[in-house]
Amino acid sequence: AIQLTQSPSSLSASVGDRVTITCRASQDISGALAWYQQKPGKSPRLLIYDASTLESGVPSRFSGSGSTTDFTLTISSLQPEDFATYYCQHFYSSPLFGGGTKVDLK
Amino acid sequence: VQLVESGGGLVQPGRSLRLSCVASGFTFDDYAMHWVRQAPGKGLEWVSGINWNSGTTGYADSVKGRFTLSRDNAKSSLFLQLNSLRPEDTAFYYCARGPYGVVTHFDYWGQGTLVTVSS
Repeated sequence: AIQLTQSPSSLSASVGDRVTITCRASQDISGALAWYQQKPGKSPRLLIYDASTLESGVPSRFSGSGSTTDFTLTISSLQPEDFATYYCQHFYSSPLFGGGTKVDLK
Repeated sequence: VQLVESGGGLVQPGRSLRLSCVASGFTFDDYAMHWVRQAPGKGLEWVSGINWNSGTTGYADSVKGRFTLSRDNAKSSLFLQLNSLRPEDTAFYYCARGPYGVVTHFDYWGQGTLVTVSS
């Protein structure tokens, strides 16, 4: 089965910082990767799909890149509402989520 | 788009529960539908998915043989029958829409329903 390794598991950042989260697949998944944001007590929200396509309504400070096994979610300038947990998910075969990255205030 | 789950609650190990999800705001039978769960304080786990006409279903290995997914397109509803429940099935269960089918990402999510398995 395909494994997803997300890193870091947590990070501390300040408003305005550029934040990068990585997701590595154990085998080639082409571009079948999505990114989600989840805030405490809320459902996940789709940010990016097909590795780099921004979901409608998601601010342009969010971007995704990568292919085959290595993928990145970048927040170009962290905003107060971006403090949350972020998950990657592959859909090359049965869907699987990464372990999550918690972004909190430095 | 709105997805509203119901049916969660406290249940003893070995017992059964049936979760429901009612969809609105889109053409239900144009989409595959899924359940994703999240144990309290833990990460996300895909549970099961079903294509638009119930011709294809998929299950995570952790629930295969115990959970059964079905849908009623006439009622825009999705159902998950949970049998032989175990304490490790305790989680929030989210209904989610799958725009690409059974193998997909998830573009809309419900608010979740909590299932607690405990004696």
